Amino acid sequence: QKEVEQDPGPLSVPEGAIVSLNCTYSNSAFQYFMWYRQYSRKGPELLMYTYSSGNKEDGRFTAQVDKSSKYISLFIRDSQPSDSATYLCATYNNNDMRFGAGTRLTVKP
Amino acid sequence: NAGVTQTPKFRVLKTGQSMTLLCAQDMNHEYMYWYRQDPGMGLRLIHYSVGEGTTAKGEVPDGYNVSRLKKQNFLLGLESAAPSQTSVYFCASSYWGTDGYTFGSGTRLTVV
Repeated sequence: QKEVEQDPGPLSVPEGAIVSLNCTYSNSAFQYFMWYRQYSRKGPELLMYTYSSGNKEDGRFTAQVDKSSKYISLFIRDSQPSDSATYLCATYNNNDMRFGAGTRLTVKP
Repeated sequence: NAGVTQTPKFRVLKTGQSMTLLCAQDMNHEYMYWYRQDPGMGLRLIHYSVGEGTTAKGEVPDGYNVSRLKKQNFLLGLESAAPSQTSVYFCASSYWGTDGYTFGSGTRLTVV
């Protein structure tokens, strides 16, 4: 069993839709949770990070962590074609960051 | 501000050849990492460093060696390349680790 599981998609939505991306993780020791965005043939770039359970909002993006169920979510409001990318969830503890395999998202104009 | 720079961007090696991938960061970050990314497998940690002169093994270290002689540089070496090492290699750096990583643009390596 992988430490971080993520539905690979692909996920295709119309412009303006609300997107929900989700991951589960297995190791309760992880304390930090992150979302990265990766455009084709580019390196991942950090979108958001949170510590412990709760919500964090940044513009159109909201990250949500539920440690009791080991569930991580990223919501994108008013999705744009420029949001088309692969989204990677990650968990971190003590120099050990584990990534999900990524969900490929396409936002159609 | 260049961030994290990886060289080369592409390389084709024959089985048994050796090569070194260079990673340089200009953000004064303490922590540096080497990952490989394969379809369906996600990013997997090869080696990492928590400061100049230090290195440690990650999840998939076999067949690779690293060195961090200067704070800003982290080198990844393949002594005898194998087809299983065909992958996209990413270097990343971080100040604290918990603040997230800054990634380079990757090196696409093919071993034939």
